[in-house]
Amino acid sequence: GAGVSQSPSNKVTEKGKDVELRCDPISGHTALYWYRQSLGQGLEFLIYFQGNSAPDKSGLPSDRFSAERTGGSVSTLTIQRTQQEDSAVYLCASSWTGTNTDTQYFGPGTRLTVL
Amino acid sequence: AQSVTQPDIHITVSEGASLELRCNYSYGATPYLFWYVQSPGQGLQLLLKYFSGDTLVQGIKGFEAEFKRSQSSFNLRKPSVHWSDAAEYFCAVGPTLNMDSNYQLIWGAGTKLIIKP
Repeated sequence: GAGVSQSPSNKVTEKGKDVELRCDPISGHTALYWYRQSLGQGLEFLIYFQGNSAPDKSGLPSDRFSAERTGGSVSTLTIQRTQQEDSAVYLCASSWTGTNTDTQYFGPGTRLTVL
Repeated sequence: AQSVTQPDIHITVSEGASLELRCNYSYGATPYLFWYVQSPGQGLQLLLKYFSGDTLVQGIKGFEAEFKRSQSSFNLRKPSVHWSDAAEYFCAVGPTLNMDSNYQLIWGAGTKLIIKP
């Protein structure tokens, strides 16, 4: 079956512009994660959605970052007024139940470059 | 604080040679333990995981890992690497004590594996 997809695969933007990154999780997965992967760093947790529960936004680095998940499926991560330090690969993952014993299935990521 | 350390940023191994990638964690109890692999241009894929029981865990693609409580380690091994194993490998830890965050994993910085022909 289809895996997790993300779009765009690459995004180059100018400092100060807004960007939207999209994630399509595996159908039926109730949990969805966004991570940021910077060069030489591990995965940095950004936000977690589980069903209809309030998302855990504790990992969002600033109020320029926001995310939503519509209809329990597709998610969009928005970065407003992008800064050069926002340059990274943004990964989305989904899982059946969202517990940390559950396998997370990752998309290929969106590479964001802020000039 | 909880943490995961992968001491080797990159490792170079000849094709056919054995491999061991190190992972150490800091946590107040035995956590859930995972290894994921990220091949170029692809998402991360689960190789194996340990929750309890037998401390030697078998995974996909011929990989295994051994949990050593006394060393707080969960090293990944493969007896003979193939060129297709060139990728980045991430160790991750799932907290078991705080059920309020039972969906989070703590990730190592990754080890990039380079295969020499």
